[in-house]
Amino acid sequence: DGGITQSPKYLFRKEGQNVTLSCEQNLNHDAMYWYRQDPGQGLRLIYYSQIVNDFQKGDIAEGYSVSREKKESFPLTVTSAQKNPTAFYLCASSIRQNTGELFFGEGSRLTVL
Amino acid sequence: AQTVTQSQPEMSVQEAETVTLSCTYDTSESDYYLFWYKQPPSRQMILVIRQEAYKQQNATENRFSVNFQKAAKSFSLKISDSQLGDAAMYFCAYRSRTAKISSGSARQLTFGSGTQLTVLP
Repeated sequence: DGGITQSPKYLFRKEGQNVTLSCEQNLNHDAMYWYRQDPGQGLRLIYYSQIVNDFQKGDIAEGYSVSREKKESFPLTVTSAQKNPTAFYLCASSIRQNTGELFFGEGSRLTVL
Repeated sequence: AQTVTQSQPEMSVQEAETVTLSCTYDTSESDYYLFWYKQPPSRQMILVIRQEAYKQQNATENRFSVNFQKAAKSFSLKISDSQLGDAAMYFCAYRSRTAKISSGSARQLTFGSGTQLTVLP
């Protein structure tokens, strides 16, 4: 079945470590996104990518990095520079940017110990 | 910049009854999408219903319908015959349809803060 796969579902990190969250889609979508969700809040955009080898910062990009080497993949690295990384991270994709709805993965829960 | 406001942090409804979740938004654009997403305890975001601003007819998906008031910038979600499986966090979201891809407003869904819906048996 087509969809978006995020891994791992749960991740624990020690302070000072970088971690990478995986996001893979087989929907043949051009655009991909990373959102962060904190308790009691809506989703905030971290990074987005319209096409391969291109990505832009969202509203809260500091302390995060991404790459888009393949259409299907958009991994997110949470670096040690991110001051408060404990959160729920959602990856999404859409056919083209600025059209229609986003399809979401099941999310990854990152906890910093 | 667009903003989306959900003024009801929590709502509850009796099973089989009807409930309406409120959403207002602020935009200077005339063409856009509005969405309601559902986030159950599994945390995956699921699209419930979408509305295109140029369409006057309110969208309907089975037991879910919207009341879209463009002039008032209001987009409420009505759930009829509520079921236990409807219990979830519901998010209203806005997305520009006409803004240039290179502009900031085109790049994302703007979400409200969510309404937690409890369905009582």
